[in-house]
Amino acid sequence: AQSVAQPEDQVNVAEGNPLTVKCTYSVSGNPYLFWYVQYPNRGLQFLLKYITGDNLVKGSYGFEAEFNKSQTSFHLKKPSALVSDSALYFCAVRDYGGATNKLIFGTGTLLAVQP
Amino acid sequence: KAGVTQTPRYLIKTRGQQVTLSCSPISGHRSVSWYQQTPGQGLQFLFEYFSETQRNKGNFPGRFSGRQFSNSRSEMNVSTLELGDSALYLCASSPGENTEAFFGQGTRLTVV
Repeated sequence: AQSVAQPEDQVNVAEGNPLTVKCTYSVSGNPYLFWYVQYPNRGLQFLLKYITGDNLVKGSYGFEAEFNKSQTSFHLKKPSALVSDSALYFCAVRDYGGATNKLIFGTGTLLAVQP
Repeated sequence: KAGVTQTPRYLIKTRGQQVTLSCSPISGHRSVSWYQQTPGQGLQFLFEYFSETQRNKGNFPGRFSGRQFSNSRSEMNVSTLELGDSALYLCASSPGENTEAFFGQGTRLTVV
């Protein structure tokens, strides 16, 4: 079964410092991976995706993610964190088997950026 | 282009009642999925519709049902509400296969 794991419930970083939010995956077949962000009392906003191609994926708001097949990881990164980046971040993988857009989400990582 | 619209934003219902939530996808998107978000269980998949057909269903009791109309708008219904059904219900639409999903703001359901 497809799954993703986010090993950190919370990540704290100072404004201006680089940030990393970790995600590892377990899939049958090729992984289709996504990152979403959620602000309080809001829906999820799409940040970026990996379907195929370059291992470094660039997304919205200066975020990028590195796909690493050997380590089965898809970590989210940003070179310089902003206070406004503070939010809940979800890693997700598309379910496998037939035509579907069903996503399986990790448990989420709360990012706190201190001024 | 308008985003995914969910109505209502907030609902308070009593145990035993039923509720219908609505979702209007982004224009041109034929795939609509529903998710339940709770602090304890996180984000869980409810069901997915494509061109009015349910093509995937999550592990939820039969009290949870949905449908999709010919204009791709979707509704989900929960009958005989329980306290544990209190959650944020999120709808997402996708333009095609293996593409990102775009989420609405959600409907916050509180069962008292």
